[in-house]
Parts: sequence; structure tokens; C-alpha cells
Amino acid sequence: RKEVEQDPGPFNVPEGATVAFNCTYSNSASQSFFWYRQDCRKEPKLLMSVYSSGNEDGRFTAQLNRASQYISLLIRDSKLSDSATYLCVVKAAGNKLTFGGGTRVLVKP
Amino acid sequence: GAGVSQTPSNKVTEKGKYVELRCDPISGHTALYWYRQSLGQGPEFLIYFQGTGAADDSGLPNDRFFAVRPEGSVSTLKIQRTERGDSAVYLCASSSPRGQQKGYNEQFFGPGTRLTVL
Repeated sequence: RKEVEQDPGPFNVPEGATVAFNCTYSNSASQSFFWYRQDCRKEPKLLMSVYSSGNEDGRFTAQLNRASQYISLLIRDSKLSDSATYLCVVKAAGNKLTFGGGTRVLVKP
Repeated sequence: GAGVSQTPSNKVTEKGKYVELRCDPISGHTALYWYRQSLGQGPEFLIYFQGTGAADDSGLPNDRFFAVRPEGSVSTLKIQRTERGDSAVYLCASSSPRGQQKGYNEQFFGPGTRLTVL
């Protein structure tokens, strides 16, 4: 079983709609949580950190459920430019990041 | 400002050959990481340097893989006796000591080296 699991998608989303997806992690010692975004054939870039209380950054909302060990990302008012692969990332002690396989999102006009 | 750079961008080699992949981190970043990303997968951790020393090499798959960072800046990932299964994008990342002190570990990734072993 992978340490971080994600639905690979793709999630086909009409422009302007809301899309949500999550990931689960197996290491209960995980301390920090992130969503990274990766465009096709590009490097991953940090989208946002995920805090226990939930946090919002513009149209993006992230939630963390430590008891159930899952993290979610919600995108409101989807734009064509939101089309990408979203990588769920967890960090236990130390600096090593553990990535999920990514969820592909395709926003269509 | 300049981000993480990696050379070459693409490397095609034959099975059994030796390859070196280079990473130039962001200036002032003391931590440097190597990851490997296979098609359709997320990046997989290989090794992490703090300064010149390897702080965690638990992700190196076997002894054919080795990495160095002799002056605490540029790093080279070395792969001996390459195998077809080594084909992947090798990503390098770096992070700032200030970020680590906040407990916020933003790692900035380079564009990667796409390695193809024929």
C-alpha cells in the first residue's frame, strides 16, 4: 500500500464549477501537509500548506482530518488555467516529502 | 531571481552505461534534495543533503546510485550500470534554512533531467 494515495482522475470540470478531491495517508506520525501543483512536463510547485483548522487561499480551500488521515482540496469557480495535476504531499519528522501519485484535473470551456 | 537549474535537460544512454546528473540549487539554500518521478507517478524521494553531508539517503534504490555535494552548493547524482528501469525524470529541489526554522518546508524544484535508458 502506498503511503499517500490519491484518485488519479481525470476530473473533468466545466469552467466555473467547483471540484473537490482528497487523498489519504498512512503514516500517523505525519506532521506537515501540502498540496503541490504540477503542469504537464513541468516541475511541481507549492500550491498551499494544509493546516488542521482548514485554510483558504483565494478560490482554493484545503482541509485536514487527522483522525481519518485524509486531506482535501476544493477549487471554486474553476478556470481553464487550473488544469493540472495536483499532488498531495506529507512530511513526517525530517525533511523528506512523500508524494501521492497525483490527481489530474481538466477544466473545459 | 534564478531558480534551481538542472543539466542536462535530457539524457539518453544505453543500458550498462554511467551517467551524471547535475543540480544547481537556489543561491543560499543549504538543503538540497533529489527525487525521481516515473511516468504517471508522484516524485519519489532519493536523498537529502544539509550542506555537504547526506542527511538522509534512505530513498536511494541500490548501490548503483550515489550523490555528492562536495562544496555544499552544486550536487551531482551518479548512476552506475544503468538499467532500463532507471528511466525517469530526476528532480532536484532546494530549500532555505529560514523556511526550515519556521517548520515550513517549501522545496523549490528544478525542471528535472529526463533520463532514458535504451
